[in-house]
Amino acid sequence: NAGVTQTPKFQVLKTGQSMTLQCAQDMNHNSMYWYRQDPGMGLRLIYYSASEGTTDKGEVPNGYNVSRLNKREFSLRLESAAPSQTSVYFCASSAFLTGTNTGELFFGEGSRLTVL
Amino acid sequence: GENVEQHPSTLSVQEGDSAVIKCTYSDSASNYFPWYKQELGKRPQLIIDIRSNVGEKKDQRIAVTLNKTAKHFSLHITETQPEDSAVYFCASGGSNYKLTFGKGTLLTVNP
Repeated sequence: NAGVTQTPKFQVLKTGQSMTLQCAQDMNHNSMYWYRQDPGMGLRLIYYSASEGTTDKGEVPNGYNVSRLNKREFSLRLESAAPSQTSVYFCASSAFLTGTNTGELFFGEGSRLTVL
Repeated sequence: GENVEQHPSTLSVQEGDSAVIKCTYSDSASNYFPWYKQELGKRPQLIIDIRSNVGEKKDQRIAVTLNKTAKHFSLHITETQPEDSAVYFCASGGSNYKLTFGKGTLLTVNP
């Protein structure tokens, strides 16, 4: 029972390079999320997918794209990396809850990305 | 969109003392308020949550209170222990499938 698995754990990019962060969950959750964490800024939502087949922008979507490949997988792509995208990225998933549509978020271990 | 303010940003207490972290939110439609704990280098993990139809919830040494009228909620940790040292995040959510997080409180429990 792996929970939420994201890869890679560490990555160094040069400005302008592209990369994709992969995320998979094995808890049969409907909703999946990508957050970034920067010192003093908390967790900020980049994109989310409420259910398979849908994706929506969060607070800080600029410079990112996502794909909900199937119910298990949700990837985050940086098309042209910038130093401002240096951060720790967390994927998370949650089940629906009646009345709130949000429930406990289960996070992956995080991916530390450095853009030079 | 929703805005969540969290205070204080850092908190230092002596072992055995109580710690209180406060959050305010802006969206009156929010109805779910979880708290996450993140130890250094680890992923955030849920420690307690409360829904809008409840004013208080307790789980051993931790408790959360909610005042919907004033749009604020608080985390209370009693009898703090060194292993309580971590960053704590409050969050607010509703019917739009997403949570908005506060900026976090670094709690240090000194032995």
